[in-house]
This record gives sequence, structure tokens and C-alpha cells, in this order.
Amino acid sequence: KAGVTQTPRYLIKTRGQQVTLSCSPISGHRSVSWYQQTPGQGLQFLFEYFSETQRNKGNFPGRFSGRQFSNSRSEMNVSTLELGDSALYLCASSSRQTLNEKLFFGSGTQLSVL
Amino acid sequence: DQQVKQNSPSLSVQEGRISILNCDYTNSMFDYFLWYKKYPAEGPTFLISISSIKDKNEDGRFTVFLNKSAKHLSLHIVPSQPGDSAVYFCAASASFGGATNKLIFGTGTLLAVQP
Repeated sequence: KAGVTQTPRYLIKTRGQQVTLSCSPISGHRSVSWYQQTPGQGLQFLFEYFSETQRNKGNFPGRFSGRQFSNSRSEMNVSTLELGDSALYLCASSSRQTLNEKLFFGSGTQLSVL
Repeated sequence: DQQVKQNSPSLSVQEGRISILNCDYTNSMFDYFLWYKKYPAEGPTFLISISSIKDKNEDGRFTVFLNKSAKHLSLHIVPSQPGDSAVYFCAASASFGGATNKLIFGTGTLLAVQP
């Protein structure tokens, strides 16, 4: 089975721009979650999508949004980029059929905002 | 407010010895705990988990201990190998009666296993 695929791997943007990140979950997985990793902050939960519906949301401003398509692929969008948005953005998938399932993570998209 | 804390940013151990990584949490609603390992330029990979109804779970060289009264869990790696050198993240979730993929992560501990 192919793993979670995130594109692009690296991205450089300037302040004020917007960016779209893409995630393809493991085949058969219907849940996609997004996390932001910054040095010293660990991984911070952004949101989770299941069957095209946002099921859970973290404490991030409205500039961060996402969506999920019928094939379970997901995109995350950040508008009006700020320097502090520079981070590794990780996508994770699971089948979400039972409680307490482990998440499978992609390698992430490293975003640098200049 | 950091609900999951890993107070040791780094740990160095000799090959063959035991590595003990610690994690504390503050939210008593957490009922499921996981450890992930992360190498540079890769995503975290699942290592081992434990439900709050247990106090110990083993998988090969890895054992996780949960002390609910102290809100503390630890990961033991015995024996430690150089390939174990990575950042280890502790994570927790609260099911609230339904499935959730909202994991709260600690800030990670960098483990260096010296040959």
C-alpha cells in the first residue's frame, strides 16, 4: 500500500501570498488530519476531515482552511501568509472505523515565508 | 497551555543501555496515549500506544508505562540501538465517546544513542 503523499515537499512564499498544500491519504482511508510543526512547539492540530466534512478544528485563525474531496484527497489553504506561518505541515490519514486508531503521517510540506 | 509536556528536550544514552523518555499531561479526559518517532525530513511514524484502562503495554524492545494518578507516561527502549536515534513525540487524545483523530502532541525529545 502506498503511504500518505504530500505535495509539494518544499515551498517558498512571501508575506501576503496564499498557498495550497495537497495530501493523498492511504487508499481506503477516509479521514485526513492536518498538523503544523514548528521548532519548540511540537505538532499542533489544525483540522480533520472525514467524508468531505470537517469533523474537528484546532485553535488556528480563519486564514487556515481546508477541504476534502470525494476521493478522500485533501487540500489545505493558508491565505495572507505571515512570517510565523513558516513550518512543516503534516498530513495524516486513518480509516477511522474504530476508536483510538493510529494515524499514518506523510513526510510533510516545508513552507518558508519570506 | 501545553496539555502534553515532554520536559527533556534531549537525551543521550549508550548503545545497549535503557532509554527512558518521559511525558506528563494535564487533561484528565485523555484516555489514549501514543508515542511517535520522527527522523529528519520524514513524517512521524507510530511506535506504540496505550489505553487508559491499562498501565503497561509492550512491543518488542519498546514498553510504555502509564501512571494515571500522576498523569505521567514513559517509554522504555531496551536495549537501545543507534538506529533509535530520532525525535520522540508523546501524544494524547480524548475520545469523549466518539472516534477522534485530534491528537495533542508534546514538544518532543531528541534521543541520541551513542555506539
